[in-house]
Amino acid sequence: AQSVTQLGSHVSVSEGALVLLRCNYSSSVPPYLFWYVQYPNQGLQLLLKYTTGATLVKGINGFEAEFKKSETSFHLTKPSAHMSDAAEYFCAVSVSSNSGYALNFGKGTSLLVTP
Amino acid sequence: ETGVTQTPRHLVMGMTNKKSLKCEQHLGHNAMYWYKQSAKKPLELMFVYSLEERVENNSVPSRFSPECPNSSHLFLHLHTLQPEDSALYLCASSQDRGGGNTIYFGEGSWLTVV
Repeated sequence: AQSVTQLGSHVSVSEGALVLLRCNYSSSVPPYLFWYVQYPNQGLQLLLKYTTGATLVKGINGFEAEFKKSETSFHLTKPSAHMSDAAEYFCAVSVSSNSGYALNFGKGTSLLVTP
Repeated sequence: ETGVTQTPRHLVMGMTNKKSLKCEQHLGHNAMYWYKQSAKKPLELMFVYSLEERVENNSVPSRFSPECPNSSHLFLHLHTLQPEDSALYLCASSQDRGGGNTIYFGEGSWLTVV
């Protein structure tokens, strides 16, 4: 079964520092991979996704992720953290069933940004 | 972003009550979903509707009953719930069930069962 594992349930960075949130997937077929962000008391918002083509994917708010097949990874990065980046981040893989696709999510990583 | 709207945002109900959560999407999508988000657990897919037909039910207890009267509206009817059902319930939609499609989420309904 296709799944994702997010390493680190909590990550803390200083404002202006590099953000690195890790996600590894397991899939026997080329995966569709997603990163979502959830701000307090809100739903999930798409940051970026990988379907096909270029392995470096750029998203909103300065985030990007690189699909590395050899490492089965899809880590999320941002060069310089901002206080407003504090949120919960979810990696997800699109999983096929008889009726179509749906998302399987990781457990999430809570990002804390300190002044 | 008001593409997917959920009401109510907060609901407190007793274990013997009957209540409903409502979801409306304004994106012209053909697929709609209910997810459950509990503390310290991954988001759980509950139900999937495609073109108003329920196509997936992921072993959800019968005390949760979904309804999709048209492609824009999705309900989750709740009855005789348990305290462990307290969670954030997220409605979502997508153009169709294609693998690369973006799934758009509402802001969720916080449910507390007392």
